[in-house]
Amino acid sequence: GDSVTQMEGPVTLSEEAFLTINCTYTATGYPSLFWYVQYPGEGLQLLLKATKADDKGSNKGFEATYRKETTSFHLEKGSVQVSDSAVYFCALNGGGYNKLIFGAGTRLAVHP
Amino acid sequence: DTAVSQTPKYLVTQMGNDKSIKCEQNLGHDTMYWYKQDSKKFLKIMFSYNNKELIINETVPNRFSPKSPDKAHLNLHINSLELGDSAVYFCASSQDQGQGNNEQFFGPGTRLTVL
Repeated sequence: GDSVTQMEGPVTLSEEAFLTINCTYTATGYPSLFWYVQYPGEGLQLLLKATKADDKGSNKGFEATYRKETTSFHLEKGSVQVSDSAVYFCALNGGGYNKLIFGAGTRLAVHP
Repeated sequence: DTAVSQTPKYLVTQMGNDKSIKCEQNLGHDTMYWYKQDSKKFLKIMFSYNNKELIINETVPNRFSPKSPDKAHLNLHINSLELGDSAVYFCASSQDQGQGNNEQFFGPGTRLTVL
């Protein structure tokens, strides 16, 4: 079945460091891909998405590019802030019924 | 205005009890979902309803029974609670079930602790 694999955390960075969180997927067909973020004590918020190969999703300085050839959707940010500390989830939607399949989540901690 | 709201936020109960969690969305969406997040933060879909009809049931024990009185509400009733049911339960909604790229909006979660 469809699945998502994320790099294990926690990821600990200093403020202004470069961030990469790896995400790869296995799916039949052509899924849409998402990054969701969960701040402490809150629900999930959509961070960005891409619906087809080579699409780049971006929001709040974060970017991810849908790479069909490597089945990847890595999350990047050039300069992280303390306020970016959260758990990040990569997810796919294989179409039909809009079911989201999540990766295990990666906790990011940014220190001043 | 809270788009997707859940009550209660915290629920502590004894094994064997029956409890319900309520979810409401004011976005005018047709589709609603329940997800379970375990202690390791792993998220998995449990159910989905579209216009009050069940469309996804992910091999969840039949002690869990979702109920959708109208398309703005999706409640989760759990019978005979077990220790393993302790988790955070998230409700979500989306405009509809199709196309595969509809954003899902999540509620704040209900932390259930079974003692």
